[in-house]
Amino acid sequence: DADVTQTPRNRITKTGKRIMLECSQTKGHDRMYWYRQDPGLGLRLIYYSFDVKDINKGEISDGYSVSRQAQAKFSLSLESAIPNQTALYFCATSEPTGGQETQYFGPGTRLLVL
Amino acid sequence: DQQVKQNSPSLSVQEGRISILNCDYTNSMFDYFLWYKKYPAEGPTFLISISSIKDKNEDGRFTVFLNKSAKHLSLHIVPSQPGDSAVYFCAASRVGGGNKLTFGTGTQLKVEL
Repeated sequence: DADVTQTPRNRITKTGKRIMLECSQTKGHDRMYWYRQDPGLGLRLIYYSFDVKDINKGEISDGYSVSRQAQAKFSLSLESAIPNQTALYFCATSEPTGGQETQYFGPGTRLLVL
Repeated sequence: DQQVKQNSPSLSVQEGRISILNCDYTNSMFDYFLWYKKYPAEGPTFLISISSIKDKNEDGRFTVFLNKSAKHLSLHIVPSQPGDSAVYFCAASRVGGGNKLTFGTGTQLKVEL
């Protein structure tokens, strides 16, 4: 079984709709992240959370919100979807080691906003 | 401002030869560098990393070299195999940066038979 899972894997929605992308992990990691990938732009950080009570904005948080429901669950919401939010969305986890950490990614959610 | 750059969008190599993927960075505060590999319809998979206190790290067929003075790192794959065909992302983080990764734009590697 995958350590980091994302649902749904694919989603088509219309402009103005609210949608939620979910991420679950069985790695037992405290830290979780949401990224988006656009063609030619690599991955960019949307939000991150170092524990259940900690939420931080990333590089491109406008138009998004998150919820850390438990150590294992981190959800990303688009309150009112717009076409330029069409992208691949990835969730990642890591464990604080006191030094440099490696992030582990889920399989991604492909979102199309019409 | 692209702090991590992969200037080659694609690379084609013959099976058995060496693949060299390059990455440049501009932020001198970065102290940890990672390479991720990504197949279509999958998430990025961690491949290899290097700390700024080293100039080389090796793991099987994969070696990463770091040249801090040039702010340049490279990933060598020897010998290249068809299964290595994927997009390779370079990423960097810095002390005090909360483990936030800054990614390059990726290089599509194609290993041909």
